[in-house]
Amino acid sequence: EDQVTQSPEALRLQEGESSSLNCSYTVSGLRGLFWYRQDPGKGPEFLFTLYSAGEEKEKERLKATLTKKESFLHITAPKPEDSATYLCAVDADSWGKLQFGAGTQVVVTP
Amino acid sequence: DVKVTQSSRYLVKRTGEKVFLECVQDMDHENMFWYRQDPGLGLRLIYFSYDVKMKEKGDIPEGYSVSREKKERFSLILESASTNQTSMYLCASSAPGGPFVAQYFGPGTRLTVL
Repeated sequence: EDQVTQSPEALRLQEGESSSLNCSYTVSGLRGLFWYRQDPGKGPEFLFTLYSAGEEKEKERLKATLTKKESFLHITAPKPEDSATYLCAVDADSWGKLQFGAGTQVVVTP
Repeated sequence: DVKVTQSSRYLVKRTGEKVFLECVQDMDHENMFWYRQDPGLGLRLIYFSYDVKMKEKGDIPEGYSVSREKKERFSLILESASTNQTSMYLCASSAPGGPFVAQYFGPGTRLTVL
């Protein structure tokens, strides 16, 4: 069975303290890996799509990377406005259907 | 920008009531999805649709049905609401084109069944 596991479950950072979130997956045929950001009480907001091992994408202080078994979301010099839950999802075998991880809740304090 | 709207942000219903949740997207997307999100369980797919009048069961379809009469609108129906259907419901849409296509989400409906 396809599985997506995110770690850690929660992360508390000081403003400016860089860190990484992990998304590991076991799927039979990865078609794409997606990162979303979700603020409390709101729907997920699309951040990145990664297609193949070695690929990297950047947006402001966020950088996503992909290997054959996992993806990392690096947050560089985070600010309080980066506080959110970050979700990882994979599109594997079933076209268009996404399997989501449980998310990592990030809190950045001033 | 893609805009996905949901009919209500908050909804309170009683056990046994029939509940309609509506979702509208304005980007002419062919694919639409309904998820529920619960603490510790993440997002789980209830139903999805790749075209008008077409529907497919997701991972947890029991107790739900859907309707897609127009391309832009996808409705989720709880035939007889139960307390275990209290949850955050999220609608999403995506463009056609196979894999690698991102889904765009609405703001969510927080449903409470008493």
